[in-house]
Amino acid sequence: DTGVSQNPRHKITKRGQNVTFRCDPISEHNRLYWYRQTLGQGPEFLTYFQNEAQLEKSRLLSDRFSAERPKGSFSTLEIQRTEQGDSAMYLCASSERQGGMNTEAFFGQGTRLTVV
Amino acid sequence: LAKTTQPISMDSYEGQEVNITCSHNNIATNDYITWYQQFPSQGPRFIIQGYKTKVTNEVASLFIPADRKSSTLSLPRVSLSDTAVYYCLVGVSYSGAGSYQLTFGKGTKLSVIP
Repeated sequence: DTGVSQNPRHKITKRGQNVTFRCDPISEHNRLYWYRQTLGQGPEFLTYFQNEAQLEKSRLLSDRFSAERPKGSFSTLEIQRTEQGDSAMYLCASSERQGGMNTEAFFGQGTRLTVV
Repeated sequence: LAKTTQPISMDSYEGQEVNITCSHNNIATNDYITWYQQFPSQGPRFIIQGYKTKVTNEVASLFIPADRKSSTLSLPRVSLSDTAVYYCLVGVSYSGAGSYQLTFGKGTKLSVIP
């Protein structure tokens, strides 16, 4: 399978704990995005990487959230001191930019986080 | 980014053509119109993108009038498997210099009835 892969698919954690999600983009894609989606809403942009550089961060990304893409391949999203309001689906997407053109974004199946 | 307005939900019988219209009155000159489909517990999937007139691919057609203040996604002969949420987005383009940041609204929940 050469699509975007996210792990784990589901995560249940107690309030106050830290969690980390992983995203493996399509291999030739140099752009990687994180989105968050709550029930009944469309996905909301969180952050974006081009290769290993984090170029955009939404104001939704509080200081408890951190994302990395250390070698320009996979990415991790960490949430520290989780709160019940962090319960959501966390989606990763990737796209390719070559010769000034973007491909469309391809999404993974997401990680569903439940904070109890 | 231009705001979009689309119906919250639509119902259709199997085999019918479905047209979902999206309003984007404040669309900018350089903005493209993109539609995504999302099934429950899955990430969104790109359907089609266009700038003006008509675009057709193997999945859908996209009609954009001359003023570009609205667009219509047309799904021919829908089946039960087309039951999903459809999002209309404005502002991204293949040739944009910036990121491919997507701004989703609440989408249109299409229910296909047997």
